[in-house]
Amino acid sequence: NAGVTQTPKFRVLKTGQSMTLLCAQDMNHEYMYWYRQDPGMGLRLIHYSVGEGTTAKGEVPDGYNVSRLKKQNFLLGLESAAPSQTSVYFCASTPHQRGGEQYFGPGTRLTVT
Amino acid sequence: SQQGEEDPQALSIQEGENATMNCSYKTSINNLQWYRQNSGRGLVHLILIRSNEREKHSGRLRVTLDTSKKSSSLLITASRAADTASYFCATDAKGGSEKLVFGKGTKLTVNP
Repeated sequence: NAGVTQTPKFRVLKTGQSMTLLCAQDMNHEYMYWYRQDPGMGLRLIHYSVGEGTTAKGEVPDGYNVSRLKKQNFLLGLESAAPSQTSVYFCASTPHQRGGEQYFGPGTRLTVT
Repeated sequence: SQQGEEDPQALSIQEGENATMNCSYKTSINNLQWYRQNSGRGLVHLILIRSNEREKHSGRLRVTLDTSKKSSSLLITASRAADTASYFCATDAKGGSEKLVFGKGTKLTVNP
């Protein structure tokens, strides 16, 4: 099993450009999450999904959209990137068990200039 | 908002010494988890302790939970250079939704 994978690993965007980050998991997990990690801030939840076709806002959802059309994939979109969205983005998943162990992807390092 | 807060923010020890990290949180919880993050990598789950448990062991890791003080500690015994990483606590709040809230982490450096 590959576990949780993220595409791309690195990306540089100009202000105003758009992009989509892809998260895929092959563990048949129900719940998936998108976090951002900034120096000194720990992990902050952007959006999450408790199943195919469902999404919900986390702590810092502004400027991001998500979709979960297939159970194994969770997409994070930036419609108009801003320098404040420069961060490392992590995807995670967990089986159908609230509050359980989360499995993390390797991260995507995004720089917005 | 952050639920868990780790202490200290950074810790530097010699190989073979024990490392203790603490986590304090604000609301009642179902469970508390500890994760490890090596530089440039994703987080890896270490251990989960439920609110009705007081202590849990896994290899060289020992976790304690004091719900009356809303605090937890992670002890790594006989540390190795490979234990160098950041360590995060995460809480599943009672009555909360299906998500964990992570602290800001403790950066541990184990010097050979």
